[in-house]
Amino acid sequence: EIVLTQSPGTLSLSPGERATLSCRASESVSDSYLAWYQQKPGQAPRLLIYGASSRATGIPDRFSGSGSGTDFTLTISRLEPEDFAVYYCQQYGSAFFNFGGGTKVVIK
Amino acid sequence: EVQLVESGGGLVQPGGSLRLSCAASGFTFSSYDMHWVRQGIGKGLEWVSTIGTAGDPYYPGSVKGRFTISRENAKNSFYLQVNSLRAGDTAVYYCARSRRDGHGFDYWGQGTLVTVSS
Repeated sequence: EIVLTQSPGTLSLSPGERATLSCRASESVSDSYLAWYQQKPGQAPRLLIYGASSRATGIPDRFSGSGSGTDFTLTISRLEPEDFAVYYCQQYGSAFFNFGGGTKVVIK
Repeated sequence: EVQLVESGGGLVQPGGSLRLSCAASGFTFSSYDMHWVRQGIGKGLEWVSTIGTAGDPYYPGSVKGRFTISRENAKNSFYLQVNSLRAGDTAVYYCARSRRDGHGFDYWGQGTLVTVSS
């Protein structure tokens, strides 16, 4: 079973700054089957990125994903007030769909 | 409009059972893999089961043998039977749909709370 480790646990930034979130897998994620989700308090998660780098429908282009193999990154180019939330990565190869522990992006 | 609505959560004693349901609408249900994901209070997301279009089930080791996923295409619904519940199973349980190409979970329900306590 692939284990996903997200870092940092908490990221403290100001609106307008760039956010860089990391997701590291314990072994290679096949075919870049890696997704990112955003979750706000009291809400269900929302799919942001799939296939490591493709934006889901309706996701602003300030969100981008990159990486392959064991190292993946979610970048938010300029933080908007609505972007302060928790972000999770997920791998979905080999009929397992496990998530990382999450990164919380908070207002500095 | 795609909608997923969970039901069946509640308070249950340790060792008890529940059957969670997810009613789907707004898409061709039989053509999609479907999932259950849970989240303990103040904790992260944990995948707990998947059912493929052919009814093939998948589970992580943490719930295998205690949880059973099933689907009923004629009713546009799928289910999670949860047995031998323990305190660690207390969580909000979400149902979710895979993208048609299998890349990620693109629609989620609002969740149903399961509380395991005596």
